Parts: sequence; C-alpha cells; structure tokens
Amino acid sequence: GAGVSQSPSNKVTEKGKDVELRCDPISGHTALYWYRQSLGQGLEFLIYFQGNSAPDKSGLPSDRFSAERTGGSVSTLTIQRTQQEDSAVYLCASSLKAGNTEAFFGQGTRLTVV
Amino acid sequence: AQSVTQPDIHITVSEGASLELRCNYSYGATPYLFWYVQSPGQGLQLLLKYFSGDTLVQGIKGFEAEFKRSQSSFNLRKPSVHWSDAAEYFCAVGATSGTYKYIFGTGTRLKVLA
Repeated sequence: GAGVSQSPSNKVTEKGKDVELRCDPISGHTALYWYRQSLGQGLEFLIYFQGNSAPDKSGLPSDRFSAERTGGSVSTLTIQRTQQEDSAVYLCASSLKAGNTEAFFGQGTRLTVV
Repeated sequence: AQSVTQPDIHITVSEGASLELRCNYSYGATPYLFWYVQSPGQGLQLLLKYFSGDTLVQGIKGFEAEFKRSQSSFNLRKPSVHWSDAAEYFCAVGATSGTYKYIFGTGTRLKVLA
C-alpha cells in the first residue's frame, strides 16, 4: 500500500474485554514496530518485528499484551482483559529494513477503555 | 540500550524568530538519529535523519540538525519559524546493531505566537 494502514482508527471497549489492533505495513517493508503514545507522553516502544519474528519484545507492559506478524506483512497487537490504563494511541511503523533507514508511521488507533 | 532526552517539554517562540530544540542521547556507539514532527491529530512525519558523514543535516520545511558526538546531541534548528510549525517534535535514536528498534524522546511541544 501507499502508507502504513492501521485499523480501527478508534476503538472504545469495556474494561476487561479483549481488543485486537491491526497494522498493514508498507509493501516490502521487512521491519515493523508498535509504539504506545499516552496523553501528553512520548512514544513508548512495545515490540519490534523483523520478518515474522520478534527480536525485541522488551516493551510489552504485561503478559496481557501480545503481538504477532504473519507472512512478513500484517501485524496484530492484542490486549487481553483491558484496563483503563491501556487507554492510549497505539502507533505502528514500518521500515524497509532494520538499521539505517527511517520508520514510516500509521495514523494510529485510539483506544479508550471505559 | 539507547535512550533519548528532550529537556524542553514546551517551547514558545514568535513567528519569524529562530528555533532550537534540544536532543541528547545515550548509546554506546554513534547511533542513527532522527527528528519527527507530529501535528495535532496527525501521524508522525520524518523531518530529517543522520546516519553518517556530514554532521550538519538538512531536512524538510527548512529544518536542519547538527550531530555533535562530543556532546551526545542532535539539536534541531530553524532560522525563521512559521505559524504552521506549531506541533510536537520528537527526537529518536536508532540502534546500529543488535535489535534495530527506535527509541523516542518525550517530545517538545512548540507554540508559535503571531
């Protein structure tokens, strides 16, 4: 695609429910990243994929968070048993390769847990 | 592991004035360095990047940044600010080996006075 696409753009969920956030990277980009941006905060690194494997999951805040990437393309971030503190904008980015190349960001999914 | 500090949370300048946004990083080697801008309700857009070579980097929208190894800094500058530059600015560090994740600073929100 022309850019990184994320869906849904907005999601309101009840506390305790599970949610899935989707990211379609730019075609041909091998690296994919998930970040979380809370109100007034910077970008918090969650997880990084190279192809289908995740060399770095160090940013996932708890075991309620998981992510997968299939076919070296689409990625899904899943949050189980959502809590109010999970409310944030979840940003996905992709880059052509890992290393000396820039990341291109999607518009994000705004998650609100009520 | 890399880290980034943006010491200024908010900066206000008058239109036409010069601008400098500070960024300091911590990394064991020379990292990849980036500046992104995020306008309200928008995704992140790359302003400029440094991988190697000339330490003064030119970017889009009239921005430039200078890499200073001795100070572990990568400050963003613009000689004359326009009202449309009001946004949030993020400095990011990319690893040059290992897991190639990008780590972002907490951002600097720029306000431009007419």
